[in-house]
Amino acid sequence: QSALTQPASVSGSPGQSITISCTGTSSDIGTYDLVSWYRQHPGEAPKVIIYGVNKRPSGVSDRFSGSKSGNTASLTISGLLPEDEADYFCCSHAGSSNYWVFGGGTKLTVL
Amino acid sequence: EVQLVESGGGLVQPGGSLRLSCAASGFNIIGYSMNWVRQAPGKGPEWISYIASYSNNIQYGDSVAGRFTISRDNAKNSLYLQMNSLRDEDTAVYYCAADKNWAFEIWGQGAAVTVSS
Repeated sequence: QSALTQPASVSGSPGQSITISCTGTSSDIGTYDLVSWYRQHPGEAPKVIIYGVNKRPSGVSDRFSGSKSGNTASLTISGLLPEDEADYFCCSHAGSSNYWVFGGGTKLTVL
Repeated sequence: EVQLVESGGGLVQPGGSLRLSCAASGFNIIGYSMNWVRQAPGKGPEWISYIASYSNNIQYGDSVAGRFTISRDNAKNSLYLQMNSLRDEDTAVYYCAADKNWAFEIWGQGAAVTVSS
């Protein structure tokens, strides 16, 4: 069982917006503004799309945005494209006890 | 091209050992903290170990502490993971990942480790 909780699946139509939640505890998301999000296509390594809760690496579309409230972080993807269909994972720093914790992943289907 | 390439994976019996290597090219790992992250089939990633740029801070996840050892050789631009006392539940794809800005910025393609008799 993963340390961070994500919905197993979400879906949306092209052009729509979706939000994926990631729930942790006061020991990880609730304490540290060090939440990152990763996209993983089948057979590939994960790729960072959000870091520091709401920052986008160079080259990542501004259709991706992140936020945090209390112990829950969220990833919003606007203007869904077919290539957004992938698995999405959240990750948070968790201090010296468990350093980094991941979510179990959310499969995004673009209908 | 910036990349990380893992090697050393394979099939090993329970109780056995393996050593994974991760070679960096296109960038210098001395500017990055390095990690090993594994992913079991159909599961989310699991962080297992971290090493700071000059090896002055090393962390392990509870599931591997005491069995796995992380190390790095900045002169060789490489990262290593010595895995001992392997168990069935260690079966996964193992990724090396370079972190900067408190995120895993660069990932390798992964090395498959299967622990089975």
